[in-house]
Amino acid sequence: EAGVTQFPSHSVIEKGQTVTLRCDPISGHDNLYWYRRVMGKEIKFLLHFVKESKQDESGMPNNRFLAERTGGTYSTLKVQPAELEDSGVYFCASSQDRLAGDTQYFGPGTRLTVL
Amino acid sequence: AQRVTQPEKLLSVFKGAPVELKCNYSYSGSPELFWYVQYSRQRLQLLLRHISRESIKGFTADLNKGETSFHLKKPFAQEEDSAMYYCALSPQYGNKLVFGAGTILRVKS
Repeated sequence: EAGVTQFPSHSVIEKGQTVTLRCDPISGHDNLYWYRRVMGKEIKFLLHFVKESKQDESGMPNNRFLAERTGGTYSTLKVQPAELEDSGVYFCASSQDRLAGDTQYFGPGTRLTVL
Repeated sequence: AQRVTQPEKLLSVFKGAPVELKCNYSYSGSPELFWYVQYSRQRLQLLLRHISRESIKGFTADLNKGETSFHLKKPFAQEEDSAMYYCALSPQYGNKLVFGAGTILRVKS
């Protein structure tokens, strides 16, 4: 069974440009999460989808970040325009069930560098 | 506020020595606690969770609600245990994870 996949693995852009990150969850997982780790800081939650609906977007830093999950399958996270402080590793995770025993499976992450 | 504290950035031990990675949390309710591990060039993966009360790869962790701690222990460290370890809590089942800053464990031969 394929795990969570993320594309691209690395992205280097200039300040002011737009970048779109993609996450493909494990097939059948309704829950999809985005996290990020900026340099020297802990991994922080960004948002949580249940199917195509945003369940919790309390961690989104500002309106330059837009996440979508059309059709409840893969998700994209767009940063527009990118700023220097957006550099970091963006992780996606998916889980099958919100009930007890739910495990979040993580993707390999996308390393974003904003110059 | 929900917060996870891992006081050690780096823990270096010799092979065969006991290991204890510290984790303290603050949360007013009853969270679920996890340990995640990231080996070199691998993705973040769940190591264990407090509700399972199981030992994984020789590691155990006991939730101490009085001390709000969830320390990870292993009696005899092995070189393949070298990795980054993250303690995390989930305020509710199936919801977001709140991570600590992580502790690098280095096991020396």
